[in-house]
Amino acid sequence: DAGITQSPRHKVTETGTPVTLRCHQTENHRYMYWYRQDPGHGLRLIHYSYGVKDTDKGEVSDGYSVSRSKTEDFLLTLESATSSQTSVYFCAISDDRGVYNEQFFGPGTRLTVL
Amino acid sequence: QKEVEQNSGPLSVPEGAIASLNCTYSDRVSQSFFWYRQYSGKSPELIMSIYSNGDKEDGRFTAQLNKASQYVSLLIRDSQPSDSATYLCAVQGNNRLAFGKGNQVVVIP
Repeated sequence: DAGITQSPRHKVTETGTPVTLRCHQTENHRYMYWYRQDPGHGLRLIHYSYGVKDTDKGEVSDGYSVSRSKTEDFLLTLESATSSQTSVYFCAISDDRGVYNEQFFGPGTRLTVL
Repeated sequence: QKEVEQNSGPLSVPEGAIASLNCTYSDRVSQSFFWYRQYSGKSPELIMSIYSNGDKEDGRFTAQLNKASQYVSLLIRDSQPSDSATYLCAVQGNNRLAFGKGNQVVVIP
C-alpha cells in the first residue's frame, strides 16, 4: 500500500463548527488531492496541491480551504461545517516522474455534520 | 470540464464469465485513463492504467482504449466472487482526474 494515512478516520461534528482533516504521506510525492465521495455524485475533487504552499481549487471547493506547509502533509479545513458537507473524504497522492502519474488513495475519513 | 460517463447499471455475472464495463469521456485532450476498484466502505484501488490506443492486459484484467471514439473499457475474465465491487473509470488531464460514477459488479457463485 502507498504510505498514506488520514486522520481522523471518523468524525461527528455539529453545524457551524470548524473541522480539519489531515492527510499524511511517506512517499515524498509532489501532488496531493482532496476528494469527497457522495452517492449519486461519485468522486469529486475539492482542492489539490502541486507542491509546498502551492494549491489550486477543484470542482467543489466552496466552503473548503487547504494548506500544505510540508511535502508530507495536506490539510483540509471546513471553516464552518454544514450538513451538506457530510461525506466521505479521500486524500490521494501522485508523482509526475512516471508515465501515468497515477493517483493512490488513502483510507478515507467519514465525516458527519449534524 | 471533463465529463466521464459510466452508464451501465449494476452488472451481475456468473462466476467464471467475462464482465465488461464501458466508459466514455468528453475531453479530447485527456492523456491517461484508469480503472479503480472500490469495495464497499473502502477506498479506491488502482487496477489498470492505459494511455495508448489498443489493449493492455494484466492478469485477468484487460483495458481497451479508443481515443478516436473517446471510450475506454475494462474486461474481467474468469470473474471471481472477490471481483464483486464498484469499478470507477477515471480520465486524466493536467494532473487532475475526473471520475465516472462507477459501475457495480456482482459475481454470482
